[in-house]
Amino acid sequence: GQQVMQIPQYQHVQEGEDFTTYCNSSTTLSNIQWYKQRPGGHPVFLIQLVKSGEVKKQKRLTFQFGEAKKNSSLHITATQTTDVGTYFCAGPAGKLIFGQGTELSVKP
Amino acid sequence: DAGVIQSPRHEVTEMGQEVTLRCKPISGHNSLFWYRQTMMRGLELLIYFNNNVPIDDSGMPEDRFSAKMPNASFSTLKIQPSEPRDSAVYFCASSFGQGFSYEQYFGPGTRLTVT
Repeated sequence: GQQVMQIPQYQHVQEGEDFTTYCNSSTTLSNIQWYKQRPGGHPVFLIQLVKSGEVKKQKRLTFQFGEAKKNSSLHITATQTTDVGTYFCAGPAGKLIFGQGTELSVKP
Repeated sequence: DAGVIQSPRHEVTEMGQEVTLRCKPISGHNSLFWYRQTMMRGLELLIYFNNNVPIDDSGMPEDRFSAKMPNASFSTLKIQPSEPRDSAVYFCASSFGQGFSYEQYFGPGTRLTVT
């Protein structure tokens, strides 16, 4: 069945370092969504990418959708302690399939 | 504006008991989703309603699980009888639009523990 894989599963960084999580789908996606879940919290929508090769920025966060619309990435520049949480990608394939998430911890 | 409201926030029950989780979506949203989150299986869609009608319930684990949406402002997820493997965080989410290409707003979740 449809799968959405995310790597890495965990990432520990020093505050100020950059962070990247990668998302790969087994099939072409019409769009991809990114969510953030703080520890003990609920997923919160960050952004949706629709176009092939699309790049969107939100302050220190850069989101990219691959040319083949089968992969995506989220890059955070100069991480802060407020970036701590799990980042999920999700793609619609009959239903919304979530990746396993990348848990980011930031050491001050 | 209030977001998605779920109750209870925590539920501890014994195996075999009936559990009912409740959700109030954001006013004006016409799609509602129930998810289950566990460490082993991640975030899984259980059921999706559009305009109060169940559209996709393929994620409902088994007949012990049932969901209803009697009106646009209320939905329930019932587990009867509950089992320890049902222990998880259950999220309700809503969106404006049909399908899975719209931003979903998640509620705070219900943490269910079945002993």
